[in-house]
Amino acid sequence: GQNIDQPTEMTATEGAIVQINCTYQTSGFNGLFWYQQHAGEAPTFLSYNVLDGLEEKGRFSSFLSRSKGYSYLLLKELQMKDSASYLCAAMDSNYQLIWGAGTKLIIKP
Amino acid sequence: GAVVSQHPSWVICKSGTSVKIECRSLDFQATTMFWYRQFPKQSLMLMATSNEGSKATYEQGVEKDKFLINHASLTLSTLTVTSAHPEDSSFYICSAPGGGVTEAFFGQGTRLTVV
Repeated sequence: GQNIDQPTEMTATEGAIVQINCTYQTSGFNGLFWYQQHAGEAPTFLSYNVLDGLEEKGRFSSFLSRSKGYSYLLLKELQMKDSASYLCAAMDSNYQLIWGAGTKLIIKP
Repeated sequence: GAVVSQHPSWVICKSGTSVKIECRSLDFQATTMFWYRQFPKQSLMLMATSNEGSKATYEQGVEKDKFLINHASLTLSTLTVTSAHPEDSSFYICSAPGGGVTEAFFGQGTRLTVV
């Protein structure tokens, strides 16, 4: 079956770095997405990886290893506003997104 | 960028009544709209895919007679929760694909509470 695994919750300190991991199993693969979701709001697109390697975009970076079915989202210089859920989603061969349950990130001062 | 407007943002209804949720694509034509449901601390679950001018495609386990989807125009898709029950209380989100694989435009979401 198709499955996405990511930690349920993580805690980090303001100004620090945090890495959120995601492993996936899908029928075919057309890319890995990371979304940010604040409580009660729709997801906001953060990144998309379809090739192996690291994609950097400001304070956020995303890494993909297709052979390992593994991705991570790296957040640097954490700010309080980064407190949110981070959703990992893999696109399968039918271009359908398979969503993880999300990682709730708690930022402490 | 493209915008999908979803209404209402939140709604409280009595058990047994019906609730309609609208999603409009404001500056582009959406031939397809995805409808998701998200329970607290759970992933987005695709409920159905609506296609303009044809019947919606429902995911396994989603009752099509309970969750009525209409996609009558290229800018409007609606989800009607009929005979709502407390277990239907959830966060419902619509999403329209853009031109590229990375483009997915989400509505603001609707928090439904059935009492």
